Amino acid sequence: AQSVTQLGSHVSVSEGALVLLRCNYSSSVPPYLFWYVQYPNQGLQLLLKYTSAATLVKGINGFEAEFKKSETSFHLTKPSAHMSDAAEYFCAVSGSGANNLFFGTGTRLTVIP
Amino acid sequence: DTAVSQTPKYLVTQMGNDKSIKCEQNLGHDTMYWYKQDSKKFLKIMFSYNNKELIINETVPNRFSPKSPDKAHLNLHINSLELGDSAVYFCASSLTGGGRNTEAFFGQGTRLTVV
Repeated sequence: AQSVTQLGSHVSVSEGALVLLRCNYSSSVPPYLFWYVQYPNQGLQLLLKYTSAATLVKGINGFEAEFKKSETSFHLTKPSAHMSDAAEYFCAVSGSGANNLFFGTGTRLTVIP
Repeated sequence: DTAVSQTPKYLVTQMGNDKSIKCEQNLGHDTMYWYKQDSKKFLKIMFSYNNKELIINETVPNRFSPKSPDKAHLNLHINSLELGDSAVYFCASSLTGGGRNTEAFFGQGTRLTVV
């Protein structure tokens, strides 16, 4: 079974500040891990993914995440927040080759001008 | 070209009615999903389906049924709609065993309001 826990349902940062969104996973098999972003009234868009290759994964819009097996974490970061980053962010996990994708509860990112 | 498309985008209906939401993907994926997103943005998987297996989340009422005429389509039929069914429903697709290409692609969602 797989699951993810996102710490912090709301995160606020100032424009230009570091963005850090936390995700911890649980998986009985080697996991595939994903970060998705949802803008208001839209569907989910993939930001980046970890599929057992490099542990530091770079995604779109300047985001990156690092897979840390020892900490069972896959935190999302961006060095400098932009107003357009304000959205809901979801961490998700699946077992490799599995047909299910399980989401965390989401973190709403607010960027303060 | 829209990779995963859902219709309708908005659906308002009365309690007790039966309704369907359609989903189509043109990505050549073999697995499709339905997710329900509640008012708190929580995403709950309802079904995953490929040409071999239907996996049902046991907490989903049997009023909800997926119907797949072919690999590119997975429709969601809902009987006897209830107020609590109001939510945004997302269709998604992925490639089973796709290795590093296993990510799911999502439709734009269908906002269902039951009155």
